[in-house]
Amino acid sequence: NAGVTQTPKFQVLKTGQSMTLQCAQDMNHNSMYWYRQDPGMGLRLIYYSASEGTTDKGEVPNGYNVSRLNKREFSLRLESAAPSQTSVYFCASSERGAQAFFGQGTRLTVV
Amino acid sequence: DQQVKQNSPSLSVQEGRISILNCDYTNSMFDYFLWYKKYPAEGPTFLISISSIKDKNEDGRFTVFLNKSAKHLSLHIVPSQPGDSAVYFCAASDWGSNYKLTFGKGTLLTVNP
Repeated sequence: NAGVTQTPKFQVLKTGQSMTLQCAQDMNHNSMYWYRQDPGMGLRLIYYSASEGTTDKGEVPNGYNVSRLNKREFSLRLESAAPSQTSVYFCASSERGAQAFFGQGTRLTVV
Repeated sequence: DQQVKQNSPSLSVQEGRISILNCDYTNSMFDYFLWYKKYPAEGPTFLISISSIKDKNEDGRFTVFLNKSAKHLSLHIVPSQPGDSAVYFCAASDWGSNYKLTFGKGTLLTVNP
């Protein structure tokens, strides 16, 4: 049982480059999330999707876009990467009112 | 405005003793609370949860207490083991926001042998 799978695990970008972080879950969950973790800041919600076809901004959405491609997949796109987006990104999924399951994370460095 | 607060960035305890991690929240609409554990280079993993209709939930060595009037919850680990050393995140959610999870900043627990 794979759970939540994120790709890639590591990425180095130059300022201004774009990239898409991929996330897929095999638990048939309706809700999916993207968080970023920075030292001393905990886990901050970037975007979430309560169900297929819906997305909502979280606490720190600026500089990001998301796509809920289908029930399984929720991607995060950086259109023009900035050094401030250097972080560890986590995707998660859950059913409403239940625990969320997290992926292993993507460590992104923007130089 | 931080809705979930973990005011202790770190905590150090001796093996076999009790670890108590604290969490405060400001949003009175929160009705579901969770604790997650995170090791370096791994994703957070679910530890234990509690609904607002309860004041205590226990799972083995882990117990979560909820005091709604004080908007406070705590995680007790008894007895603490060196393998418990990790960052612990408190999280909260409510039906009005489609149960999206709001996390605190985390507490680094170190259990010394």
